[in-house]
Formats: sequence, structure tokens, C-alpha cells
Amino acid sequence: DTAVSQTPKYLVTQMGNDKSIKCEQNLGHDTMYWYKQDSKKFLKIMFSYNNKELIINETVPNRFSPKSPDKAHLNLHINSLELGDSAVYFCASSLREREGNNEQFFGPGTRLTVL
Amino acid sequence: QKEVEQDPGPLSVPEGAIVSLNCTYSNSAFQYFMWYRQYSRKGPELLMYTYSSGNKEDGRFTAQVDKSSKYISLFIRDSQPSDSATYLCAMSARPDSWGKLQFGAGTQVVVTP
Repeated sequence: DTAVSQTPKYLVTQMGNDKSIKCEQNLGHDTMYWYKQDSKKFLKIMFSYNNKELIINETVPNRFSPKSPDKAHLNLHINSLELGDSAVYFCASSLREREGNNEQFFGPGTRLTVL
Repeated sequence: QKEVEQDPGPLSVPEGAIVSLNCTYSNSAFQYFMWYRQYSRKGPELLMYTYSSGNKEDGRFTAQVDKSSKYISLFIRDSQPSDSATYLCAMSARPDSWGKLQFGAGTQVVVTP
């Protein structure tokens, strides 16, 4: 069973379109994340939700809107796609603990190509 | 200047050699240090997790943290071709999920048979 799953795995679309990426985790975690990994492999956090509440919101264009219907799902909707949005988007999840390891489990990634 | 610096490589070593990876950082608030391994077209997976300064060993992997120098290392002994991957360091100022992880750019490692 896949712990953190993302759909679709590949997404090719035209500039200006709106698209969504879905993420689901079956680990019982309470925190989920979206990361963007650019062509140079640099992994940067975009958003984090804890129990459906937004806790981290980096400087991301407001064309990107995360939605968490429940703590097992965190979807990412992107409006008016631009060439610079081309990247691999990773979803991750963790269990919040006050002390100790907050290991984040990553999904397989969604490779977005904007033409 | 990025908060976390990591040489992107590639680092090519023969099978059986020791792989030495490192990261430097500028934020003295970082206390929790991690190494992730990422195979091509896969998501990162956690290899090692350490708190504050010191060493931690897990099988062929050893992680070292030197907070005074703001420098962390990962050593892989008896390297295997299956160790070929990109290794990302990550660090956080908090132990819980409220502390965002700051990643290095990743070092690509190639272990040749």
C-alpha cells in the first residue's frame, strides 16, 4: 500500500490553464505539506497544514491555493499556469510531536510541464 | 546566500569506497538535522535524523553534526551501486511539524561497480 500518493504523476498543460494535483496519505498523520523541486533539485516548502489548518505559507503566488478537506488529503490547485511553474511537486506528511523525530514521508511527486 | 549550502556534485566513487557528504548552514537556530536520499524520479526518504551536535551511526551510515562550525556530514561506508542517488541535507529549528525544513540543493552520488 502506498503511504503517500499523488495524482497525476505527470501533467503537461498549456500556459494560462488551471490544474489541480491531489494528495492522500494513509499513515494517520496530522500534518501535510507541499514542496516544489526545481530543475536544480532544490526542494522548497510551499505550504503546510496541520489538522486542516494552514500553518506554513511561504512566499508563493496566490495563483497557488491548497485545500485540505480532511487531515488525510491536501490538494493543490494552480490558476493561470506559467512557464516558471514547471517543476516536480511533492506532497509529504508527518505526525506532529513536540519532541523527537518529525520525519516527513514524501509522495512520488507530480512532474508538471507548462508549455 | 542560501541558508543551507550543499555541493551538487556529481560525486563519483568506486564500489566499496567511503562516500563523504557535507552541508554548511548559516542559521544558528537550527538544531535538528536530517539526511534524505532521493532516487531518480522518486520522492525523498529519510536516512538519518540527529539532534544538536554529535555523531549517530546506523549500519553503514554515520551522521555528524558540528554546531560550532555550522557543518554537518554524512558518511557511507562500503558503498554499493544501490547507494547511487541524490542525498539532501535538511534542518529545522523545531522538532515538530511547525518547524519548516530547510533543504540543501542535494549532492548526486554515483557508485561505480
